[in-house]
Amino acid sequence: DTEVTQTPKHLVMGMTNKKSLKCEQHMGHRAMYWYKQKAKKPPELMFVYSYEKLSINESVPSRFSPECPNSSLLNLHLHALQPEDSALYLCASSQDPRDRRAGELFFGEGSRLTVL
Amino acid sequence: GQNIDQPTEMTATEGAIVQINCTYQTSGFNGLFWYQQHAGEAPTFLSYNVLDGLEEKGRFSSFLSRSKGYSYLLLKELQMKDSASYLCAVRYNFNKFYFGSGTKLNVKP
Repeated sequence: DTEVTQTPKHLVMGMTNKKSLKCEQHMGHRAMYWYKQKAKKPPELMFVYSYEKLSINESVPSRFSPECPNSSLLNLHLHALQPEDSALYLCASSQDPRDRRAGELFFGEGSRLTVL
Repeated sequence: GQNIDQPTEMTATEGAIVQINCTYQTSGFNGLFWYQQHAGEAPTFLSYNVLDGLEEKGRFSSFLSRSKGYSYLLLKELQMKDSASYLCAVRYNFNKFYFGSGTKLNVKP
């Protein structure tokens, strides 16, 4: 199984709503990532979890709250978002981050978020 | 992030060869990756370099010079389906992956 699965594929929410994006991988990877991608722009790193602990937060606003319940799951909780937060949110995973030979990021298909 | 630079757009003809360059900041470098991304889809992995030299994978090759902070992706025998964005990504300090701005490749008949 070499897949990263993200749900939902599409999400529309109002600025007062609370919603969550979910990501799952069963490759035994110990690093998981959230990226945000706007149209015609590259993916922008948001958060990195290593061994279920938050290791990197790229100064992301607190209206985005990540959670890693176990080594296979990664959530992104959304609250009081702004229309400019509308984007494709990509989850990715990679092998043991302590291994300098660890390879590439494996991406999910993304969750397309629209904030009204 | 990390000053990863690529040309914004390139155009090439079907059947030709194209080279997409990438330069990056070398401090903390731990690997360079090339991804292909079609509009509205997730990036798909193409190649990985961690040591200097050329890695070949079918029609795609990637080169790395760590001392120069330079890589290129070479695409041979271009096909129309190769029209996409090509993203250079660098791993820093084991688990920070940053992407360049991407190169949009247009393949024309």
